[in-house]
Amino acid sequence: GAVVSQHPSWVICKSGTSVKIECRSLDFQATTMFWYRQFPKQSLMLMATSNEGSKATYEQGVEKDKFLINHASLTLSTLTVTSAHPEDSSFYICSARTSGRSEKNEQYFGPGTRLTVT
Amino acid sequence: SQKIEQNSEALNIQEGKTATLTCNYTNYSPAYLQWYRQDPGRGPVFLLLIRENEKEKRKERLKVTFDTTLKQSLFHITASQPADSATYLCALLSGGYNKLIFGAGTRLAVHP
Repeated sequence: GAVVSQHPSWVICKSGTSVKIECRSLDFQATTMFWYRQFPKQSLMLMATSNEGSKATYEQGVEKDKFLINHASLTLSTLTVTSAHPEDSSFYICSARTSGRSEKNEQYFGPGTRLTVT
Repeated sequence: SQKIEQNSEALNIQEGKTATLTCNYTNYSPAYLQWYRQDPGRGPVFLLLIRENEKEKRKERLKVTFDTTLKQSLFHITASQPADSATYLCALLSGGYNKLIFGAGTRLAVHP
């Protein structure tokens, strides 16, 4: 299957600082990328959907000014957590799909980034 | 409201037995349903997709059923192995087939 990478795999930052997480599709072009957040023993919660070259669509309750998403190319999306606080500590997972609406609609997931805010 | 429910309690079974995991959903009319495997500290890995007009789908030791009347999917692993130990997530498409929404997952532990 297609490969999606994330960088970094884990990061520790101080409260008030910003952290950028990169998501890359390595062997395919991703017109749509998704960002999820997962707290321990909980489900993956969709944060936002981004299509290449356009603004991201955020889920209800997700602050777009706090979680900045950029999808500038067909192989790269970034999530920046601005002014991070301890409650932002979580496992962030990106996912990529080759087209906006696909009959087969498989999504390929990255390995996740563990963010710890101290 | 829309809900995807999976048994939150861990499922413990003996090696060689068949594991059966359940996914129930409400207020959805999915065209298809997907199952993923997630290991600790890792992203989900796609396993199987089943469409609403398919009653059953198989892939090696995996079998998925989809009952749109009961609004339920069952996920079976036959001849289970300790390596099958993981959390299994079911997921549905929402938002006009654009967003994949996940259940909380069921942790499976296969004991030698």
